[in-house]
Amino acid sequence: DVKVTQSSRYLVKRTGEKVFLECVQDMDHENMFWYRQDPGLGLRLIYFSYDVKMKEKGDIPEGYSVSREKKERFSLILESASTNQTSMYLCASSSPGRGNTEAFFGQGTRLTVV
Amino acid sequence: SQQGEEDPQALSIQEGENATMNCSYKTSINNLQWYRQNSGRGLVHLILIRSNEREKHSGRLRVTLDTSKKSSSLLITASRAADTASYFCATENTGNQFYFGTGTSLTVIP
Repeated sequence: DVKVTQSSRYLVKRTGEKVFLECVQDMDHENMFWYRQDPGLGLRLIYFSYDVKMKEKGDIPEGYSVSREKKERFSLILESASTNQTSMYLCASSSPGRGNTEAFFGQGTRLTVV
Repeated sequence: SQQGEEDPQALSIQEGENATMNCSYKTSINNLQWYRQNSGRGLVHLILIRSNEREKHSGRLRVTLDTSKKSSSLLITASRAADTASYFCATENTGNQFYFGTGTSLTVIP
């Protein structure tokens, strides 16, 4: 059974803390994604990685960075957490193939910054 | 932003009725996909339609795609209470990135 696993379901952090959100996939997928989901705004792409050590900015990269040292793991880093980063964070992976593929999602991490 | 939009934002119907939701997008696409999200969970893939296809069926789901209008619709026939969820369209662009719409929240009343 294919799986994308996010390290935490719920996380509470203080303003100014450095926060790591971890995502691991067991499908040998090349592509991995981080989204944040907010009511009324849907899913917005933060960062995208198409290979180890490769990354591209999505629509809202400000305040975030990412790390992909191994193919199966994609980390989202909040260098200095702020209250406006309180959100649901979703990780996904895919294998591009010929471009007709689906994204597989983790269960989400609900982050609260206080 | 490459994010799409969905319409309506919320939809409430009786069990057995059909539900239709629409999606508009902005860029060239390889394909368009629909996903379902139960409350507080990750998204699950439902159906994919390629850019050169106009209509596709899967069980009680029917998807249409109009690339000239950059729009798609998802029809769920004979809805059930278990269909209650949020539904998102997503476009996969030529860079293999997925951009999602804002979602439609569907409530099916038993």
